[in-house]
Order: sequence, then structure tokens, then C-alpha cells
Amino acid sequence: DVVMTQSPFSLPVTLGQPASISCRSGQNLVHSDGNTYLNWFHQRPGQSPRRLIYKVSNRDSGVPDRFSGSGSGTEFTLKISRVEAEDAGTYYCMQGTHWPPYTFGQGTKLEIK
Amino acid sequence: QVQLVESGGGVVQPGRSLRLSCVASGFNFSNYAMHWVRQAPGKGLEWVAVISYDGNKKYFADSVKGRLIISRDNSKNTLYLQMNSLRTEDTAVYYCASALLAVAGTYWGQGTLVTVSS
Repeated sequence: DVVMTQSPFSLPVTLGQPASISCRSGQNLVHSDGNTYLNWFHQRPGQSPRRLIYKVSNRDSGVPDRFSGSGSGTEFTLKISRVEAEDAGTYYCMQGTHWPPYTFGQGTKLEIK
Repeated sequence: QVQLVESGGGVVQPGRSLRLSCVASGFNFSNYAMHWVRQAPGKGLEWVAVISYDGNKKYFADSVKGRLIISRDNSKNTLYLQMNSLRTEDTAVYYCASALLAVAGTYWGQGTLVTVSS
């Protein structure tokens, strides 16, 4: 199974400041079809997860452009250019290249200072 | 709009069975692979199972293999999770989700809580 490791575990951020979350995979996530199936999800307390980013850097419909994804191989990053109050919650990376199983990172809890 | 509505959760004793349902609307259910993902209280997300659009292919996490069965009825736009030989470690909110990798978007239900306790 591909282990996904996120850092930091907890991320306190001041409103309007940038934030960055790292995700490392235990294997190279480039699929034989040339795509890299690395997603980012956001989950607010008491809510279902929502996908923000698919295939490393593509924003889902309706996702603000302050969110961006980057990376390749085994190292990936989610960045928020200017954190807003609604961005609080837990962020998860997930790989879909080497499945089953699909595997998630352990989560990064973003809190507003 | 797209909706996924899970039901069937509850409190059950270890070793017993439970069946979860997920009714889809607002999208062409029969065209999409469907997943179950769970989240134990206060913990992260764990992928459980996936079923192909036509129901012919099914894959499971090792932690549930042989005990949980995924199925679908495309005529009813419904996804199922038959949960047998339940263990206390199966206690979680269970979410159904459409194709996790789909470029067009992935949709999640609100989740249903399964508590396995004596």
C-alpha cells in the first residue's frame, strides 16, 4: 500500500496570510497512463469532505483561485495564497494511482489564529 | 442538483450485520464508479471499497475484505454496503462518494454513523 504522509499535523494561520501543506507518497505517483492521481480534499467540522484539487494541480469547479496544488513524483504541496475564515478545517491528500487501496494522508488541521 | 443520501446506520453488536444504502440523484449514476469511505470518530479518512459503473468489478480494503460487500442497483440509483461480522473497529461515519478521480467532479453524501458496541 502507498503510504501518504502529510505535514504539518496542525497549522495555525492568521487571516489573510498564506498557508502551505506538504504531502509525501511512499511511491512515485506517476501512472502508466502519464497522469499523476493526487487529490486534495477539505473537510469542515461536521461536514463531508470536498475535493479541491485533482491530478496534482487542477482546481475543481467552484474552488477559489487562492488554492493551488503543485508537485511531482512523491512530493506534493497545497497552497492557500491568503487564508479566509471558511478555510478552517482539515485537509487530506489522497492518491489514486496505485490502487487498491486508495490511500489518504493523516490530515492537516488548519486553524485560524 | 447532485445528491447522495446514505441511510442504514445505527448501533449494532459485534458479530452482527448491517446494510447501508446510498441513493443518488442529479447525475447519471450508472456511468460512475462508486466508493465507500469511512471515518472513525476523531480520525482521518479511510477508503473502504469501490464498485465499477456496471457492478462487475469490486475492490476492498484489506481491513474489510471478506466481511463487507459492495453492490449497486443502477435501476434504483442506489449503492449498498452489506456489513457482516462487524467489529468494534468498524465504528465510523460511512460516506458514499462518486468516482474519486473523475475530472468532472466527485460527490459525497452526508454520511451515516455505524456504532459497533456490546
